[in-house]
Amino acid sequence: NAGVTQTPKFRVLKTGQSMTLLCAQDMNHEYMYWYRQDPGMGLRLIHYSVGEGTTAKGEVPDGYNVSRLKKQNFLLGLESAAPSQTSVYFCAIQNRDLASEQYFGPGTRLTVT
Amino acid sequence: RKEVEQDPGPFNVPEGATVAFNCTYSNSASQSFFWYRQDCRKEPKLLMSVYSSGNEDGRFTAQLNRASQYISLLIRDSKLSDSATYLCVVFKSQGAQKLVFGQGTRLTINP
Repeated sequence: NAGVTQTPKFRVLKTGQSMTLLCAQDMNHEYMYWYRQDPGMGLRLIHYSVGEGTTAKGEVPDGYNVSRLKKQNFLLGLESAAPSQTSVYFCAIQNRDLASEQYFGPGTRLTVT
Repeated sequence: RKEVEQDPGPFNVPEGATVAFNCTYSNSASQSFFWYRQDCRKEPKLLMSVYSSGNEDGRFTAQLNRASQYISLLIRDSKLSDSATYLCVVFKSQGAQKLVFGQGTRLTINP
């Protein structure tokens, strides 16, 4: 998986709790992405980063925040978890340019009750 | 119209059969194309890029038809291990540039 790790692998939250998902890469790739995947919905882009210190919104950013303080780490935060955020979250990295292939981490399964 | 559309399937085919998927895309200016496979409860993994002249990797052949705006994936002599969901991916070059993932086509190879 091109040296992409995600922490934690699984988590159960109660509504209103907060948490941070960590994506770490050892490939020195510039671009990093956070997706969520739900049945019947495919992969949807939450936020992304084109370099250290920069972040941008994707198509479903509401309820999430991100930070990229170090090039190798991309953090996804849920400020006040809602049942609608129950999903599988994937981090991806990309090297050469926005049109090149992406490599995914193993995912985090989050359940919000 | 969705930016990338795939037949969700499921496709159930016997081992050894040849199976083909198509994927259509809406942006005629799209420049790069990929096929990914995703096993159940796993992350998507790059299967192959799709080049303008078509390309082959073992039992897998990918083709691009720019005029009709679709890409295809052909799997020959299918194996049980080919059972997975296959995602079509297209680079959207206009507006917010990004890779756009199709919802996937589910394939089951039966013994």
